[in-house]
Amino acid sequence: SQQGEEDPQALSIQEGENATMNCSYKTSINNLQWYRQNSGRGLVHLILIRSNEREKHSGRLRVTLDTSKKSSSLLITASRAADTASYFCATPGGDSGGYQKVTFGTGTKLQVIP
Amino acid sequence: NAGVTQTPKFQVLKTGQSMTLQCAQDMNHNSMYWYRQDPGMGLRLIYYSASEGTTDKGEVPNGYNVSRLNKREFSLRLESAAPSQTSVYFCASSEHNQPQHFGDGTRLSIL
Repeated sequence: SQQGEEDPQALSIQEGENATMNCSYKTSINNLQWYRQNSGRGLVHLILIRSNEREKHSGRLRVTLDTSKKSSSLLITASRAADTASYFCATPGGDSGGYQKVTFGTGTKLQVIP
Repeated sequence: NAGVTQTPKFQVLKTGQSMTLQCAQDMNHNSMYWYRQDPGMGLRLIYYSASEGTTDKGEVPNGYNVSRLNKREFSLRLESAAPSQTSVYFCASSEHNQPQHFGDGTRLSIL
């Protein structure tokens, strides 16, 4: 099955710095999603990037997708303590590349120190 | 704005006991999912229901059964709990081809 793997597994930065986390996947996809999980809570969808897009922005989030390298990155600019969470990439599963089943990576645990 | 509601939030079972985890969504989504989350493993799909009346196995279905009771509700049953099923269980829902919305999980310990 397709699976995204995030890198690094853990990241600790000072408030105001930028945080970059990466996701690699194994087979062709038609989209890639990023989710955030605060401690003790469920996942929250952040952004979806389609395979024909190279970059997408949402507020302080910037996502890139390189289908030739089968990789994506999530950049959080000007980080805040409230950004402390785990971040997961998710890729669609199934031969059709459909949305309904997605496979989640193991996540990057981000700590933003005030 | 409830979204996806899971009950209970915490549960401790003894090996061999059975229980049902409940999930309900109020967003009129067609698709619903059950995942388990273990340290270092990410989320793994147990079962999913693409629409009311259908269910399909995910990556780790052994030891579990599901029921799509109606469009709103999707339950997960452990018939004979085992320590290996100690985990955090998440329910999610989505409309077709849309991102998933998650509940806040059920933390299940099996002794």
